[in-house]
Parts: sequence; structure tokens; C-alpha cells
Amino acid sequence: DAKTTQPTSMDCAEGRAANLPCNHSTISGNEYVYWYRQIHSQGPQYIIHGLKNNETNEMASLIITEDRKSSTLILPHATLRDTAVYYCIVHYNQGGKLIFGQGTELSVKP
Amino acid sequence: GAVVSQHPSWVICKSGTSVKIECRSLDFQATTMFWYRQFPKKSLMLMATSNEGSKATYEQGVEKDKFLINHASLTLSTLTVTSAHPEDSSFYICSARDQRLAGVLRETQYFGPGTRLLVL
Repeated sequence: DAKTTQPTSMDCAEGRAANLPCNHSTISGNEYVYWYRQIHSQGPQYIIHGLKNNETNEMASLIITEDRKSSTLILPHATLRDTAVYYCIVHYNQGGKLIFGQGTELSVKP
Repeated sequence: GAVVSQHPSWVICKSGTSVKIECRSLDFQATTMFWYRQFPKKSLMLMATSNEGSKATYEQGVEKDKFLINHASLTLSTLTVTSAHPEDSSFYICSARDQRLAGVLRETQYFGPGTRLLVL
């Protein structure tokens, strides 16, 4: 699986949009971009994933650049409960193991 | 979404004893489950891939005789930490893959809540 690069930490004001970037310049054509988050002392929680088109669900939006070398996870209206470590992972959708990098520690502040 | 449970949620044991952690997929069958370990302030580290009916595949540097994995049914995988020592104290997390969803743009892997192990 290709490696990803994310900022170590970010702050966001409550109610504002949180934009979390991820670089995956070595992604291959059939690898998907997955986002998970981990709230302290819990198991990771799936957020969203995509291949090349932008995706949106009830939790977040995923914007993937045209060359697929980077993506941005958008939490449109961050709340204090969104404080967590966010992991960007590139992965074959057909299975196999998810390899976690260091992730971005997002702190949502009042 | 699908639910994966782990039992126990936390365990304290004496050095030298063995500890078994269960991972169950509650509403789907999982031919493949994964075991991770996480130390404080660190990311999840994949330990092994557990396949139903066959031997687990361990990541490099993980001792298979130390961390015994059994995946005897499509809904249960167990991780046994044998002769546990204080350095094995960690947060152990499993995930289960829903094979039915492979190939569609939906979540395919679900994580358990984790088991915190403290070895005294």
C-alpha cells in the first residue's frame, strides 16, 4: 500500500469547517483513499472513502485532486466531539490490511 | 453499520500468565480479521491477519509463538498473549472485514472498541 503524509496536528474552531489534508503521491490506479478517525481510547471509526470522484456522506466530504496525489477531508461544521486523530490510508478496496500512519490530531476548540 | 465486539474491554494480569482476547463480528461473517496493537501516543500497528480455517499471517517482528491467533469460526477470532510481561501492556484492537461488501464503494472493514491490557 502507498504511503501517506499528513500534518501532525491541527486546530479548528467549533462550528467552523475542518479541512484535513493528505498527500499520497505514490498512489496507484486501483487504490482507494480511506479516512478513519480514532477518538481517545476507542477503536478507529470509518469516515469515508473514494477512488477519484469527490464523495460526501453524513459525516464528511472527501475531495480528491484530479491527479489523485492528494486529498482533503472536510468536516463541514466541527464540534467538540470531532476532536480525534484522523488517519488517511490508501488501500485496495478488494481487501487486505489497513496500514495506519501517524495521522493528524485534530483539536476542536470552543 | 456492522458491529465488532471485543472481550474483555480491559484486563489486568500478573507477569507470566496468558491472556485471551476475543473479537466477534456480531451481524456479519468475517473470513478475515486483523489484530492491531497501539502504545500510548502512537499509531495502530498491525500485528497479524487472521483467516478463518487457516493459520494467521504475522507481520514482520511479531512473534507468532507469543501472540497466538485462532480464527475458528466466521464470527470469532481470538488473540492469546502467552506468558505476558509488562512490555506487552498495550491497547489491542481487532477489525473484521465484511467480504460481502468487497468491490462496492462501501465500508468493508469494521473495528472493535479495543482491549486494554495491563501486565503487572
